[in-house]
Amino acid sequence: GIQVEQSPPDLILQEGANSTLRCNFSDSVNNLQWFHQNPWGQLINLFYIPSGTKQNGRLSATTVATERYSLLYISSSQTTDSGVYFCADEGGYQKVTFGTGTKLQVIP
Amino acid sequence: DARVTQTPRDKVTEMGQEVTMRCQPILGHNTVFWYRQTMMQGLELLAYFRNRAPLDDSGMPKDRFSAEMPDATLATLKIQPSEPRDSAVYFCASGRGGVNTEAFFGQGTRLTVV
Repeated sequence: GIQVEQSPPDLILQEGANSTLRCNFSDSVNNLQWFHQNPWGQLINLFYIPSGTKQNGRLSATTVATERYSLLYISSSQTTDSGVYFCADEGGYQKVTFGTGTKLQVIP
Repeated sequence: DARVTQTPRDKVTEMGQEVTMRCQPILGHNTVFWYRQTMMQGLELLAYFRNRAPLDDSGMPKDRFSAEMPDATLATLKIQPSEPRDSAVYFCASGRGGVNTEAFFGQGTRLTVV
């Protein structure tokens, strides 16, 4: 099946800093999504982005399907951005595979 | 305030017992997902339904797990018999559309099988 690699695995940021999270895929990107899980375990769907760029407030995501990767940008980070960010893709036959996540800690 | 409701929030059970987890999707959402999260395996999609019909449950161990939607307001995930390796947080999510729809998650059921 498709392999999903996320980097970096861990990231510590000072509040106000910007960051880029990356997701690499072993196979063609079909229906990529980004999720955020806050420190209390709540999951939120951030973006559905099979290709191109989308923005939502301080977050934006870009997927280059031909190069098999996606990037999540966080600008002017806040402590509420802390948590784990997952990417996932549907690798055919409606089988969704998640990456192992990037754990982000934003410190004041 | 529309939200996905999961019950119970926490469940501790003995190995071999039947476990039923329930999910009330957001009213009007026609797609329901069941996910499992463990430290070892991370996040996994177990099953998903559209318009109450199971579209994919290939991520679910068939011998002991079953997922149903008896009506549009209730989705259930059953494990029988439960095993310690089933210990995990089980999330339900709902949305409008297909597998790639924006999904809204419940708070999860933390299952511990001892």
